[in-house]
Amino acid sequence: GEDVEQSLFLSVREGDSSVINCTYTDSSSTYLYWYKQEPGAGLQLLTYIFSNMDMKQDQRLTVLLNKKDKHLSLRIADTQTGDSAIYFCAESIRAAGNKLTFGGGTRVLVKP
Amino acid sequence: NAGVTQTPKFQVLKTGQSMTLQCAQDMNHNSMYWYRQDPGMGLRLIYYSASEGTTDKGEVPNGYNVSRLNKREFSLRLESAAPSQTSVYFCASSVRDREYRNQPQHFGDGTRLSIL
Repeated sequence: GEDVEQSLFLSVREGDSSVINCTYTDSSSTYLYWYKQEPGAGLQLLTYIFSNMDMKQDQRLTVLLNKKDKHLSLRIADTQTGDSAIYFCAESIRAAGNKLTFGGGTRVLVKP
Repeated sequence: NAGVTQTPKFQVLKTGQSMTLQCAQDMNHNSMYWYRQDPGMGLRLIYYSASEGTTDKGEVPNGYNVSRLNKREFSLRLESAAPSQTSVYFCASSVRDREYRNQPQHFGDGTRLSIL
């Protein structure tokens, strides 16, 4: 079955690195995504990784994928107060018509 | 460039009333989706449309109907609203690549719906 899990909350000091973790269960995933949601807003695509890749870097963001353990992480370097938001991990499963399955979201609070 | 536009942004209904949520995208995307987001939860797929003229049920379709009016527009209808349908509703769209894999979904800003 499809199941994506994330920790609920992360607190980090401004300037430190944040690491948000996600586990998924379906091995036929094609893409894995990270979305950011600020209060009262929609979901903003941050980055994504193909399931045949191990790592992707995009400016302050680094995505690591461990296919063996079905573990995905998002590292935000030099975290800023503007990074405070809810972060959602999602997988696209080709066998399920490429629909997205979302985790419950990790609320990140950046303290000055 | 508007992207995905949802209307209305807010709505309050009484139990039993009907309503249609509108969604339009201007990115020439093939696929469109409707999700609901409940407090403390991720998004759950209600219905989706892989291409114009087709619609399929998602994880939580009960109590909803959809129409893919044309390539741009995908509407969600609540025929008889219930308090359990109080939620934030998001529309999304995506394009399929040459290998028929969906590229990342782009989301609208949401419709906040309260049913009393």
